[in-house]
Amino acid sequence: QKEVEQNSGPLSVPEGAIASLNCTYSDRVSQSFFWYRQYSGKSPELIMSIYSNGDKEDGRFTAQLNKASQYVSLLIRDSQPSDSATYLCAVANYGGSQGNLIFGKGTKLSVKP
Amino acid sequence: EAQVTQNPRYLITVTGKKLTVTCSQNMNHEYMSWYRQDPGLGLRQIYYSMNVEVTDKGDVPEGYKVSRKEKRNFPLILESPSPNQTSLYFCASSWASGNTGELFFGEGSRLTVL
Repeated sequence: QKEVEQNSGPLSVPEGAIASLNCTYSDRVSQSFFWYRQYSGKSPELIMSIYSNGDKEDGRFTAQLNKASQYVSLLIRDSQPSDSATYLCAVANYGGSQGNLIFGKGTKLSVKP
Repeated sequence: EAQVTQNPRYLITVTGKKLTVTCSQNMNHEYMSWYRQDPGLGLRQIYYSMNVEVTDKGDVPEGYKVSRKEKRNFPLILESPSPNQTSLYFCASSWASGNTGELFFGEGSRLTVL
């Protein structure tokens, strides 16, 4: 069973706080991990990719990967109301099948002014 | 402008009437894929193509066909649509070779099958 699990939320944080989004996956073979942001009524857009254990930072975003625990997270520092969206975790090469990409159902984030 | 273009954006059709949703990308990407998005079920992969003439099933391929005759185009074909195929469809593309998950998405096609 291919599973990418996320808390559906909504996750509500005040403006300026750190938002922490979590994702677990069930397949140990997977090597590539992604975070997408989807505004209501829009298509998903890639915000972070991570391929190695540890942290990867890009501006206010930090992705964290722990393959041993099969866990990937996204931290958003200094959250802004414009960050309010649904965040999708995605896992590529699921089960070793190159090209197979599995998405979690998403966590809805609300940043309150 | 780099983009993935889907047509039509909105379509209402009836059960059994064959339809095609076109997808075209102008980024010379090798990898293309189709997804459907449904409330409570999230984004699910229908088919993907690693390159021209190479296609493979995703997780929900039943009732769909694809073809990849040219690098830039990847149409999704519903031979005999049914109401359970009412959904929001996204086409996406990326460079292959290890980073197929770094996707550019089209704007989506909302399909209603009556």
